Amino acid sequence: DADVTQTPRNRITKTGKRIMLECSQTKGHDRMYWYRQDPGLGLRLIYYSFDVKDINKGEISDGYSVSRQAQAKFSLSLESAIPNQTALYFCATMGHPYNEQFFGPGTRLTVL
Amino acid sequence: AQRVTQPEKLLSVFKGAPVELKCNYSYSGSPELFWYVQYSRQRLQLLLRHISRESIKGFTADLNKGETSFHLKKPFAQEEDSAMYYCALKGTGRRALTFGSGTRLQVQP
Repeated sequence: DADVTQTPRNRITKTGKRIMLECSQTKGHDRMYWYRQDPGLGLRLIYYSFDVKDINKGEISDGYSVSRQAQAKFSLSLESAIPNQTALYFCATMGHPYNEQFFGPGTRLTVL
Repeated sequence: AQRVTQPEKLLSVFKGAPVELKCNYSYSGSPELFWYVQYSRQRLQLLLRHISRESIKGFTADLNKGETSFHLKKPFAQEEDSAMYYCALKGTGRRALTFGSGTRLQVQP
């Protein structure tokens, strides 16, 4: 089955460390997204990409960067992690033309 | 700007009772509206979209442009409906969905 996968699934790190979260998809979708989920705040968009040359900031991009290495891969980096970046991070793709988003299983990141 | 509001953080009902999860939106054009569901320890998945006008797992949602609402309804709740529900909006020409803050539905036996 075509899928969206994320690695790692869980990560504990310390303040100031650089962290990379990876996302891969076999759905053949061009559009990919990174969200963070916090209790009471829902899902907030960090970055999104329509192809390897089209990268866009979302509503909460400060402190994050992304890389679209290929159509199937979209990585999220925290250059210098801080405790308020502790959250559940989701990668998603979007199909066309129905605009349905397909989500990965999530990465639980804890910054101490 | 587009915005999605889910006023209830938690909705608790008994099995067999009707359920209505509220969603209001703010958008000046013609939006696409969606409901996503996240069951315990599972990833988010699409429940339904307004353009399909379908019923999924007994849930329906009607887009009311006058009231800018897209409430999710089910006449008889089941315990397996317990989950986190998110309303989402996609504006014309926009390239990403805007999600509400979510409502946790708890169906008690």
